Amino acid sequence: ETGVTQTPRHLVMGMTNKKSLKCEQHLGHNAMYWYKQSAKKPLELMFVYNFKEQTENNSVPSRFSPECPNSSHLFLHLHTLQPEDSALYLCASSTGLAGGHTGELFFGEGSRLTVL
Amino acid sequence: DAKTTQPPSMDCAEGRAANLPCNHSTISGNEYVYWYRQIHSQGPQYIIHGLKNNETNEMASLIITEDRKSSTLILPHATLRDTAVYYCIVRGSARQLTFGSGTQLTVLP
Repeated sequence: ETGVTQTPRHLVMGMTNKKSLKCEQHLGHNAMYWYKQSAKKPLELMFVYNFKEQTENNSVPSRFSPECPNSSHLFLHLHTLQPEDSALYLCASSTGLAGGHTGELFFGEGSRLTVL
Repeated sequence: DAKTTQPPSMDCAEGRAANLPCNHSTISGNEYVYWYRQIHSQGPQYIIHGLKNNETNEMASLIITEDRKSSTLILPHATLRDTAVYYCIVRGSARQLTFGSGTQLTVLP
């Protein structure tokens, strides 16, 4: 248990569906992140939020829409996805931006998304 | 951030030390070396980090060469639960962590 909880753990959706992934951290961190991990590929940073403000968007398609209502919660809204978007979506949090001095990010267990 | 090179896979006998190498020949003076691991179907877990001195914590030891161009993560007594992908990451101050392909460590009974 890392203190970062992601729901749902597994999600299957059609290309026309709209769904959301949720991330919650109880660690008092101010920075939160979404990473994508496709099969056989390294983790890719998608979005970064610091004190609820988006600080990075790594050229992520607009069919992925993040929302950070407060420092403890992070959402990833999904709509009109493609089969190639099937992946493990990982949320992380940290005390400082980019993990601060220690570089330590705390990851959730991920949401496994399958797009049919 | 400096690029790192790790072997794609390694085996280690249970109870023995696992020594995972990482080359980072282009590392610059203000860049730290970080190690994370990812057990299958879980999120990555921070292990340790260092700048130039060797570091040790309850999980592992990090040995950084004097020229800082390479490092070794040591798991002193590997267990089956240490089977995971181990990532060596070099990061400058305030830069985001960039994960590579890592080393798949398999601890054998």
